[in-house]
Amino acid sequence: GENVEQHPSTLSVQEGDSAVIKCTYSDSASNYFPWYKQELGKRPQLIIDIRSNVGEKKDQRIAVTLNKTAKHFSLHITETQPEDSAVYFCAALFGGRDDKIIFGKGTRLHILP
Amino acid sequence: EAGVAQSPRYKIIEKRQSVAFWCNPISGHATLYWYQQILGQGPKLLIQFQNNGVVDDSQLPKDRFSAERLKGVDSTLKIQPAKLEDSAVYLCASSPTPDSEQYFGPGTRLTVT
Repeated sequence: GENVEQHPSTLSVQEGDSAVIKCTYSDSASNYFPWYKQELGKRPQLIIDIRSNVGEKKDQRIAVTLNKTAKHFSLHITETQPEDSAVYFCAALFGGRDDKIIFGKGTRLHILP
Repeated sequence: EAGVAQSPRYKIIEKRQSVAFWCNPISGHATLYWYQQILGQGPKLLIQFQNNGVVDDSQLPKDRFSAERLKGVDSTLKIQPAKLEDSAVYLCASSPTPDSEQYFGPGTRLTVT
């Protein structure tokens, strides 16, 4: 069935270092892969997304890579800052009769001073 | 542009009681989602509407949960009767299409005692 696995569940990095979060998905028909950031007590917000016709997308310190053959995609945050501390969720859109989005379980990112 | 509105923001009920949540999506957004987010976990899709039709409700506990989207705009989610394990934040989100950014409402925090 449709599934998104996200790793790691918790990640601690020193301020200024890079953070990488990985997700795998179960259905090769997926063509839209968003990433959401949820700060404590707040609602999820989209930070970047990628479609299946590109392999990488960047937005300042954030980048997402997609490997459709291996069915995995990753979020890369460079030069991490304290405000990057949050929970990050990957998601994948599964097509077929009806398009539906499935979220990963999330990664809690801690930026250490 | 007004965001996604939800009410109430907080609700405390006893088990076996009923509760209803309301969501007003962003104007013009055809796709509306209800998620259940248990503390420390990712959002779990309960139901997805495309206009006033149900796209996916495979994870909606239909023996106690129901949802409707009248005239393809506002939506209500009802739980009857509530169980302790229903304690969670219920998030409503909307998007123009399934493969575009979802805008989340502030959520309703439900506590079942």
